[in-house]
Amino acid sequence: DTEVTQTPKHLVMGMTNKKSLKCEQHMGHRAMYWYKQKAKKPPELMFVYSYEKLSINESVPSRFSPECPNSSLLNLHLHALQPEDSALYLCASSQGDRSGNTIYFGEGSWLTVV
Amino acid sequence: KNQVEQSPQSLIILEGKNCTLQCNYTVSPFSNLRWYKQDTGRGPVSLTIMTFSENTKSNGRYTATLDADTKQSSLHITASQLSDSASYICVVSLSGGYNKLIFGAGTRLAVHP
Repeated sequence: DTEVTQTPKHLVMGMTNKKSLKCEQHMGHRAMYWYKQKAKKPPELMFVYSYEKLSINESVPSRFSPECPNSSLLNLHLHALQPEDSALYLCASSQGDRSGNTIYFGEGSWLTVV
Repeated sequence: KNQVEQSPQSLIILEGKNCTLQCNYTVSPFSNLRWYKQDTGRGPVSLTIMTFSENTKSNGRYTATLDADTKQSSLHITASQLSDSASYICVVSLSGGYNKLIFGAGTRLAVHP
């Protein structure tokens, strides 16, 4: 079983709603990630947090807003999404953010925007 | 351009049979190569990780090989089980800088009884 826990597993939201995806890890990892994965496509990196600070933003639209309240938690706040934002959102973590660190993925949150 | 290509795109085998999945990459500078298994609708799970100097790594019925000269890797699954049905993703990590992963498109494996 993965040690990266994501909630909710499924989320359906309207284009005017505000919702949040949550991620938690207790492995002492200091790097956490958000990925977006469309059906039959590989994951695409959205954000990287290192030591609770945003270090990478892969030109993600502002309707996606990440937040790292502490070293174990990572949130993704959603507002005014579009139907094309429907996807599997994967949270991940690694010991550090440098190359060579194995990235552990959560089970993902299925998001449907209607 | 950094790329990871996998073949075949999809594969159907009978339970108990062996199979081999291929991965070719043009990634530089290379740090390591990982194989992940992803069940439909779930997050990827790491199977193996190999650095430049490692040729083979096993994890139960999964054996990965790496040829750093030809930039090729393979994942061999022995005595397949129905639960092996999943997508297998080859992922190469760039050396230096942050943990940037280059994903292959995956091979969708279906094991039939």
